[in-house]
Amino acid sequence: EIVLTQSPGTLSLSPGERATLSCRASQSVSSSYLAWYQQKPGQAPRLLIYGASSRATGIPDRFSGSGSGTDFTLTISRLEPEDFAVYYCQQYGSSRPLTFGGGTKVEIK
Amino acid sequence: EVQLVESGGGLVQPGGSLRLSCAASGFTFTSYWMSWVRQAPGKGLEWVANIKQDGSEKYYVDSVKGRFTISRDNAKNSLYLQMNSLRAEDTAVYYCARDTLSSTWYGSHYFDYWGQGTLVTVSS
Repeated sequence: EIVLTQSPGTLSLSPGERATLSCRASQSVSSSYLAWYQQKPGQAPRLLIYGASSRATGIPDRFSGSGSGTDFTLTISRLEPEDFAVYYCQQYGSSRPLTFGGGTKVEIK
Repeated sequence: EVQLVESGGGLVQPGGSLRLSCAASGFTFTSYWMSWVRQAPGKGLEWVANIKQDGSEKYYVDSVKGRFTISRDNAKNSLYLQMNSLRAEDTAVYYCARDTLSSTWYGSHYFDYWGQGTLVTVSS
């Protein structure tokens, strides 16, 4: 099983600031099969990024993903009020099971 | 518009059973794998199971193997999760999610659409 470790657990930032979220895998994720999701309280997760760096339909370009192998990053270039939420990474490489990271909460400072 | 609507959650005693349903609309259901993902109260996301387009392949997380069964009825555009021998640690919101278009396991199993979830509480 591939274990995903997200850091930091909580990120306290102000609107307009840049957010950098990390996702580290216990072994290499094949073909950069890594996705990022945003979840707000009481809502289902929303797909932001797939294939490590491809934005999903309708996702603003302030969201970007990068990385390969075992180290991946989600960057929000300038935080908008609606971006304060919990973010999860997920690997979908060839190994089973599909796994998620523990999440990073981005909160208003 | 893609819609996934779960139902069937509720309160059940330890050792009991429950069947969740997910009604899909707005896309060609038979073209996609489908998954169940759960989230315990205040916790993160956990993939539970998925099923291939024709139901010929099914995969589960180890913690539910032998207790949960995923199935689908393509004529009804519906996904199901039969949960037996339920435990307190199965308490969670269960989400139905659209999975990959791939014809094999070796595809892009990320989730681009999610239902609103249904709460399962296992308690005496």
